[in-house]
Amino acid sequence: SQQGEEDPQALSIQEGENATMNCSYKTSINNLQWYRQNSGRGLVHLILIRSNEREKHSGRLRVTLDTSKKSSSLLITASRAADTASYFCATDSRMDSSYKLIFGSGTRLLVRP
Amino acid sequence: NAGVMQNPRHLVRRRGQEARLRCSPMKGHSHVYWYRQLPEEGLKFMVYLQKENIIDESGMPKERFSAEFPKEGPSILRIQQVVRGDSAAYFCASSRDGVVNTEAFFGQGTRLTVV
Repeated sequence: SQQGEEDPQALSIQEGENATMNCSYKTSINNLQWYRQNSGRGLVHLILIRSNEREKHSGRLRVTLDTSKKSSSLLITASRAADTASYFCATDSRMDSSYKLIFGSGTRLLVRP
Repeated sequence: NAGVMQNPRHLVRRRGQEARLRCSPMKGHSHVYWYRQLPEEGLKFMVYLQKENIIDESGMPKERFSAEFPKEGPSILRIQQVVRGDSAAYFCASSRDGVVNTEAFFGQGTRLTVV
């Protein structure tokens, strides 16, 4: 079953604008990870935020986590055409017999030059 | 430190043949996860392995699919008697201490096409 759900499913912005993507999840977590996937490629790890953290930064990326609302957001500031990709959140969920990453369906970001 | 290595990158098999997908985790990583991705969809968990042990195979079909992570060598995802519905991208991820504590890093994937 799906754990994370990203919102919006697709986002189109102009280069230089900020992009915000949201992720909601259902069960308690230890951490949440964000990934980027360029078309036809593998996943690139962007950032890990732990359940006791509220905000984390990495370059132009800012991630927030609200465990009370079971949600996270990824903000990309001053977007570039090269940021065009799909973005996924993944939570470490104990489903069935082990902890593993459960992914949402992703947000497809298009940055127009 | 090389990343997660998967091979082959592309694999074409005829219906009924076997597909073998290989994954070498990052150095020092003993946890391996296999995922499957259909076009325009997210990643679906298949199996979680540590050296010589299958920890969780709850996402893997009971028939035709198997996985191993031997003491020496890469992890192997094996699909016997492939069918068209097996066509997908298969990704492997590795982590040092398990995803509860550490990041998981992904390989470039193997794109399986069944003709």
